[in-house]
Amino acid sequence: KQEVTQIPAALSVPEGENLVLNCSFTDSAIYNLQWFRQDPGKGLTSLLLIQSSQREQTSGRLNASLDKSSGRSTLYIAASQPGDSATYLCAASGSRLTFGEGTQLTVNP
Amino acid sequence: GAGVSQSPSNKVTEKGKDVELRCDPISGHTALYWYRQSLGQGLEFLIYFQGNSAPDKSGLPSDRFSAERTGGSVSTLTIQRTQQEDSAVYLCASSRLAGTQSSYEQYFGPGTRLTVT
Repeated sequence: KQEVTQIPAALSVPEGENLVLNCSFTDSAIYNLQWFRQDPGKGLTSLLLIQSSQREQTSGRLNASLDKSSGRSTLYIAASQPGDSATYLCAASGSRLTFGEGTQLTVNP
Repeated sequence: GAGVSQSPSNKVTEKGKDVELRCDPISGHTALYWYRQSLGQGLEFLIYFQGNSAPDKSGLPSDRFSAERTGGSVSTLTIQRTQQEDSAVYLCASSRLAGTQSSYEQYFGPGTRLTVT
């Protein structure tokens, strides 16, 4: 059974800092890994999807990497802004999409 | 274009009543998924549709839960004889047809917040 873990559970940083969110998964037989953002009381917004054959994906200030062999993915956020404050979820897709518990990010002005 | 929509956005019901939650996927997306997000329990998979059939319904927590999809579009999740532990946010997602369940990016709706009193 796939298990996904995210570290840290919560993170508070000053505006402008670069930061890394970590995601680990126990079963490396995945099709892809997806990073989402969830704002309070809202649904999930897809940020990046990395196919199993890929090593990383970039979108603006976001960069996600995937190392299947070690069961790890990282989401790098450059030059963080208060608007980046949200919960970030990673999800590994095997026979079903399995989510981590999320990292609650607060960027302070 | 229009994203995934869900209705109602909020539902308060008495214990023992039946509820129906609705999901309208993105037009042209043949795969549709239901998830539940409970406080302190994260997001859990409930059921997956490809077209009108449900190849994987193993995530449904009990036989009080059922779902259907008609016309390859709208889906309804029905919870019979609701219990307080059913209180959660129910999220729907859709994706393009995939050879496997999760090969394509999933797009989520805003969710339905269900409160059972």
